[in-house]
Amino acid sequence: QQQVKQSPQSLIVQKGGISIINCAYENTAFDYFPWYQQFPGKGPALLIAIRPDVSEKKEGRFTISFNKSAKQFSLHIMDSQPGDSATYFCAASWGTYKYIFGTGTRLKVLA
Amino acid sequence: DTAVSQTPKYLVTQMGNDKSIKCEQNLGHDTMYWYKQDSKKFLKIMFSYNNKELIINETVPNRFSPKSPDKAHLNLHINSLELGDSAVYFCASSQATGFTDTQYFGPGTRLTVL
Repeated sequence: QQQVKQSPQSLIVQKGGISIINCAYENTAFDYFPWYQQFPGKGPALLIAIRPDVSEKKEGRFTISFNKSAKQFSLHIMDSQPGDSATYFCAASWGTYKYIFGTGTRLKVLA
Repeated sequence: DTAVSQTPKYLVTQMGNDKSIKCEQNLGHDTMYWYKQDSKKFLKIMFSYNNKELIINETVPNRFSPKSPDKAHLNLHINSLELGDSAVYFCASSQATGFTDTQYFGPGTRLTVL
């Protein structure tokens, strides 16, 4: 019940295309859903985050869509660029000290 | 300037040895964390300290002992290293306690146990 299932495991997108990564959860106590971006050899960095009281949040080319009833949320990267090639992690938090990451999606954007 | 730094970047050692990884943040944050990322990239929190006090201790073997000499430093000491300890260890910090506050991660320490 405290899992966050992330898919796909890897994704190849052409430059200019839309990258979509999905996460699903079961624990309805989750109340904060961040996405992290990790480049090879680097630590993860917060990309964008959403709370369950909104259905969508957009920052530049990155959008989180949140479906509370389906217990799913997704990251959309519009106009994907080769520089977006990285591993993306969704995560979910509940309470002050509880936090769990998804299994990661390796994105490759072809030039 | 590096916000969260870790040393060493790579650590190769034999089974049974004791090793330490150091972490420092210059962001003035009150909370620091240690994460473990395994070979499949799965990221899991191990410990969290707020103002030098332990606030999170996930199910981690007691061979792992964090130490926070001051709120800018959180070191990780590992006793009797095992093959399964091989992973990348990340330190992170945030201003406030709780995961809704942005965490800033260090570059990681790749530990290889032979």
